Amino acid sequence: DSGVTQTPKHLITATGQRVTLRCSPRSGDLSVYWYQQSLDQGLQFLIQYYNGEERAKGNILERFSAQQFPDLHSELNLSSLELGDSALYFCASSKGFGYTFGSGTRLTVV
Amino acid sequence: AQTVTQSQPEMSVQEAETVTLSCTYDTSESNYYLFWYKQPPSRQMILVIRQEAYKQQNATENRFSVNFQKAAKSFSLKISDSQLGDTAMYFCAFMNYASGTYKYIFGTGTRLKVLA
Repeated sequence: DSGVTQTPKHLITATGQRVTLRCSPRSGDLSVYWYQQSLDQGLQFLIQYYNGEERAKGNILERFSAQQFPDLHSELNLSSLELGDSALYFCASSKGFGYTFGSGTRLTVV
Repeated sequence: AQTVTQSQPEMSVQEAETVTLSCTYDTSESNYYLFWYKQPPSRQMILVIRQEAYKQQNATENRFSVNFQKAAKSFSLKISDSQLGDTAMYFCAFMNYASGTYKYIFGTGTRLKVLA
């Protein structure tokens, strides 16, 4: 157990729907990062939050949004889902340098 | 902008042998960190080893070691006495601190298969 908790582990939904992925960072970590990994691809950085504030944005679609709550957990909202959004979504947390990754949420859009 | 390149999409090695995975990066920064992450079939991302750029000594973690060549901007991973459990995707990553945040860049990965 890495200390970073992601729920749910698996999610199957239909095109056009909206889903929310949740991440609880490791205790004491203020930064949360979201990544998307499509099949057999590298990790694409989506967005970073630090202590409740958006800190950096990567290749995140307008249909996607995220937030970090006062208790430091974060949610990634994906809407108007398309088949191409099927991927593994990772959350990572850090206190300084060096990530700790969660086990990911596998999203399948059918 | 920083880039990370892993030029070997796939590699294989016999069990108990040694294998080296290559990684090069490009940056104008002098202070940064480099990492190797392992992603086994379970898809969990696991930190294997990290190197601070200001340290000349190469990092080692048990059977894993790096060859860090700062001038050449090279950061290769050597796995000694390869085991079947080393079969995984390996990602090289660069990190520096800029604009008030840590920025990470990952390479595209090298798929390593350890053969029995």
